[in-house]
Amino acid sequence: EVHLVQSGGVVVQPGGSLRLTCAASGFRFDDYTMHWVRQVPGQALEWLSLISWDGLSTAYAGSMQDRITVSRDNSKNTLFLQMNSLRTEDTAFYYCGKDMRGAIGTWGQGTLVTVSS
Amino acid sequence: DIVLTQSPGTLSLSPGERATLSCRASQSVSSSSFAWYQQKPGQAPRLLIYGASSRATGIPDRFSGSGSGTDFTLTISRLEPEDFAVYYCQQFGSAPRSFGQGTKLEIK
Repeated sequence: EVHLVQSGGVVVQPGGSLRLTCAASGFRFDDYTMHWVRQVPGQALEWLSLISWDGLSTAYAGSMQDRITVSRDNSKNTLFLQMNSLRTEDTAFYYCGKDMRGAIGTWGQGTLVTVSS
Repeated sequence: DIVLTQSPGTLSLSPGERATLSCRASQSVSSSSFAWYQQKPGQAPRLLIYGASSRATGIPDRFSGSGSGTDFTLTISRLEPEDFAVYYCQQFGSAPRSFGQGTKLEIK
């Protein structure tokens, strides 16, 4: 069975940095493009980033695109999202996802990132 | 950027009724690059429909998707209690990928 297990929730101060992790199992990780999506509580989904199967191609969007970097370690079946210069408005649930014909076919359980002093 | 506008914002229906949710794109979207998701409170989203009309694995056949160009529709033929949730459309044919703002389907 396909599983995406994300790191636990965290509180970080404004201006701080954070790296989220997403551990994959149940499928051949290095065959798939992976995604990051976020959701401010009570608001809509916002697509953030994708990384190709081999890590050579990435794409970003949204208000975080200049402050985030996606990466992966195929030897450890793990996806990462490095977030810098965090702001209070970045407080949100962050989801990783496995690509399925361009859509997001499987989702992680989400990580709540709280940016607060 | 392509903006997806979902309507209505909230839809109040009873179990057994038919639900029709709309998603309109600000520019034409390839049908192969269009999807619908369901999200229940406290849960991650779940893929329902990809390629505008193909059901994802395990999705009941009461869910169907249709449309092309700028107008797409998700239809739930006969609502079950577990279908009351928020539904999002997404396009991924043009960068940046985008989601609609969601339609909340609530019990009347």
